[in-house]
Amino acid sequence: GENVEQHPSTLSVQEGDSAVIKCTYSDSASNYFPWYKQELGKGPQLIIDIRSNVGEKKDQRIAVTLNKTAKHFSLHITETQPEDSAVYFCAASKGTGGFKTIFGAGTRLFVKA
Amino acid sequence: DTGVSQNPRHKITKRGQNVTFRCDPISEHNRLYWYRQTLGQGPEFLTYFQNEAQLEKSRLLSDRFSAERPKGSFSTLEIQRTEQGDSAMYLCASTPSPTGVNGELFFGEGSRLTVL
Repeated sequence: GENVEQHPSTLSVQEGDSAVIKCTYSDSASNYFPWYKQELGKGPQLIIDIRSNVGEKKDQRIAVTLNKTAKHFSLHITETQPEDSAVYFCAASKGTGGFKTIFGAGTRLFVKA
Repeated sequence: DTGVSQNPRHKITKRGQNVTFRCDPISEHNRLYWYRQTLGQGPEFLTYFQNEAQLEKSRLLSDRFSAERPKGSFSTLEIQRTEQGDSAMYLCASTPSPTGVNGELFFGEGSRLTVL
């Protein structure tokens, strides 16, 4: 079955710096790659997603890149702010998501003011 | 608030006791999912419903776990004879059906179970 690996498990950056989180997936049939942010005591919330027919997508300070050949995708956060501190999960699925979504183990991001 | 609602938010129980969690999805969503999240891990799929029908169950869902969605609205997840290994955050999510262009899972804030 699908397996999603995520690195690093912990990331600490200075406010204003960039943060990059990388994920790899195993199932070449996966075609939907969402990223979720989980703040303390809350459920995960979608922040950006990308489909397999697109190589890059950007939304303000957040961007995601996808390399289907290498089966890896990355989250880039620029100009980090303290409120970006949270746990970030990458995920992969076949179809449009739902129950077939497989999550990575998460990256705990600390943004130091 | 029209988001996914879960209760109780926290439950502490002794090993061997039964516990039940409730999830109220977003009202227009007819798919409902249960996930389990242990410390330092991402959510793991347990089961999902399309209206009142339970369509998929993970092998993680042992015989001690049962989920229902009797009227296609709220859902309950019951764990019988709890074990310490059941300690986790139980997340509920909902989506419209079909999931549409987005595929986003709308999560509740979770119910944290601690088994002593």
